[in-house]
Amino acid sequence: KNQVEQSPQSLIILEGKNCTLQCNYTVSPFSNLRWYKQDTGRGPVSLTIMTFSENTKSNGRYTATLDADTKQSSLHITASQLSDSASYICVVTRSNDYKLSFGAGTTVTVRA
Amino acid sequence: GAVVSQHPSWVICKSGTSVKIECRSLDFQATTMFWYRQFPKQSLMLMATSNEGSKATYEQGVEKDKFLINHASLTLSTLTVTSAHPEDSSFYICSAGGPSLYEQYFGPGTRLTVT
Repeated sequence: KNQVEQSPQSLIILEGKNCTLQCNYTVSPFSNLRWYKQDTGRGPVSLTIMTFSENTKSNGRYTATLDADTKQSSLHITASQLSDSASYICVVTRSNDYKLSFGAGTTVTVRA
Repeated sequence: GAVVSQHPSWVICKSGTSVKIECRSLDFQATTMFWYRQFPKQSLMLMATSNEGSKATYEQGVEKDKFLINHASLTLSTLTVTSAHPEDSSFYICSAGGPSLYEQYFGPGTRLTVT
């Protein structure tokens, strides 16, 4: 069973609208959680990184939240643009061996 | 900063031949580099971890004789797919560990198609 679960698997939104992606994890011991954006045929690009003590982190129109107690994170995209169409991947790092656990990703499609 | 490049970005080869993929950290030294493969609509799967000057550590189920990894310098790691078969067709992504091992910077990926 994957230690990082993302939902929804995919979503379609209209340009200008907001959306929220979810990530639940069971990875332990926890070091940090990152959200990546991966365009088709490209490598992942880091959006945000949060450690245990951080509850929220913003990067432009992207805002990530973390609840380390419930082991949940969300990524909120505000005022979506066509260029936001991509796969968004939640990645959790273990603190004992630095291994990354990847979620399966949420595919976001923004339509005009 | 923290730029990682891969070469080539895409390659087509015939079954039975070998293909080498390069991963370079352009503006920092990476003691540790990682190699991943990604199938369509799936997440990244770690293949191996390489440390400069030592043998790579392969994940369970990854054939080390088929996927040869060399990390001869602090800025370059190579992955050679030997005797490639169509089932090796995939998207291969490398990442380089930053000053803190909790950071990894990903390359743009290499699309391998074996015909």
